Amino acid sequence: DIQMTQSPASLSASLEEIVTITCKASQGIDDYLSWYQQKPGKSPQLLIYDATSLADGVPSRFSGSRSGTQYSLKISRPQVDDSGIYYCLQSYSTPLTFGSGTKLEIK
Amino acid sequence: EVKLQQSGDELVRPGASVKMSCKASGYTFTDYAMHWVKQSPGQGLEWIGTIIPLIDTTSYNQKFKGKATLTADKSSNTAYMELSRLTSEDSAVYYCARSLAIYYYSSFDYWGQGVMVTVSS
Repeated sequence: DIQMTQSPASLSASLEEIVTITCKASQGIDDYLSWYQQKPGKSPQLLIYDATSLADGVPSRFSGSRSGTQYSLKISRPQVDDSGIYYCLQSYSTPLTFGSGTKLEIK
Repeated sequence: EVKLQQSGDELVRPGASVKMSCKASGYTFTDYAMHWVKQSPGQGLEWIGTIIPLIDTTSYNQKFKGKATLTADKSSNTAYMELSRLTSEDSAVYYCARSLAIYYYSSFDYWGQGVMVTVSS
């Protein structure tokens, strides 16, 4: 199984910062990587797919990138509404596996 | 508008089974795979398995083989998941989520609202 090591587990950021969340895959996943945001009591929502493609309706302050087997989600000038839990997902091979999640608080 | 409408929350006895539904609308049901995901209380997300309704083919996480059974009814655009021999470890929220493509290896672009299953005597 492919392990997705996500970090940090939690972070707090201000409106002026750039937030970066990373997921490191235990092996190559050929950009079969997506990012999701989940708010309390709600279903996850797709933000980024294929490592760098922005999902429909997602603000351009969200972006995705890759360096080797490490994938990053960046939020530039986050809004208070961006608070929530963020997950990565690898869909390169079964079993599909999620990262453990990052709880983000925007102050 | 794409919508995945899941059935209601369930309270079930240990050892029993439960079958939940996920009714799709706003797109051609057979053009996309459907994933199922488990979220235990206060925990992260686990992939259970995927069904490709067009060819009635499934792929399961080994962890859920024998626990979950995925089916799809093309006539009603509905995907189903049955969980058997329930224990307290099965108490969780279960989501259906549409695959971005017809095959397993894709991201999840639309999600249902979730079904909370509580296993209790």
